[in-house]
Amino acid sequence: SYVLTQPPSVSVAPGQTARITCGGNNLGSNSVHWYQQKPGQAPVLVVYDDSDRPSGIPERFSGSNSLNTATLTISRVEAGDEADYYCQVWDSPTDHYVFGPGTKVTVL
Amino acid sequence: EVQVVESGGRVVRPGGSLRLSCGASGFTYDDYGMSWVRQSPGKGLEWVAGINWNGGTTNYADSVKGRFSISRDNAKNSLFLQMNSLRAEDTALYYCARWVPLVRGQYYFDYWGQGTLVTVSS
Repeated sequence: SYVLTQPPSVSVAPGQTARITCGGNNLGSNSVHWYQQKPGQAPVLVVYDDSDRPSGIPERFSGSNSLNTATLTISRVEAGDEADYYCQVWDSPTDHYVFGPGTKVTVL
Repeated sequence: EVQVVESGGRVVRPGGSLRLSCGASGFTYDDYGMSWVRQSPGKGLEWVAGINWNGGTTNYADSVKGRFSISRDNAKNSLFLQMNSLRAEDTALYYCARWVPLVRGQYYFDYWGQGTLVTVSS
């Protein structure tokens, strides 16, 4: 089955830029989606189809996907961005949704 | 406003059964496929099962295939997950989520409920 990899944690100072990577074999041929999950809350979609933002998500959140790596970029990081972030793809050969293991973003 | 609300979670013994429900509102329910996604305590997200708009197509994670069954009642805007032969490793918060298809055959989840907790323990 398809496997996604993410770094366990990323630390960033307020106002700086956080980059969260998601790795997978030939990932660029899939659409990658990103979810933010704050403690005790349900996941929230922040980026879909590699780089699109749902309504209500700040422009500070952006995404890219090429070759074997997708990246979620959070610009001008705020304390409220502290959360776990998960990437997700649809694995066509198995008809399964696949999530990455998640990255904890800590705002210093 | 789109809302999905899960219910039915409780403590159940290993080997037991449980049926989860999810009520949807704020959108045309039978226009969308739905899924269950779970999260074990302190762990990441794991997709469990999915169903298309009319219930004609279902799919399951390998970890639950043959034990869990997903279904829906479009007349009642409801989604269900029948869980049999429960194991300790099925202990998790179970989320109901709406999925959206992209043109090139990819899918993502745009709305999630708050989850219902299932604990499998003797």
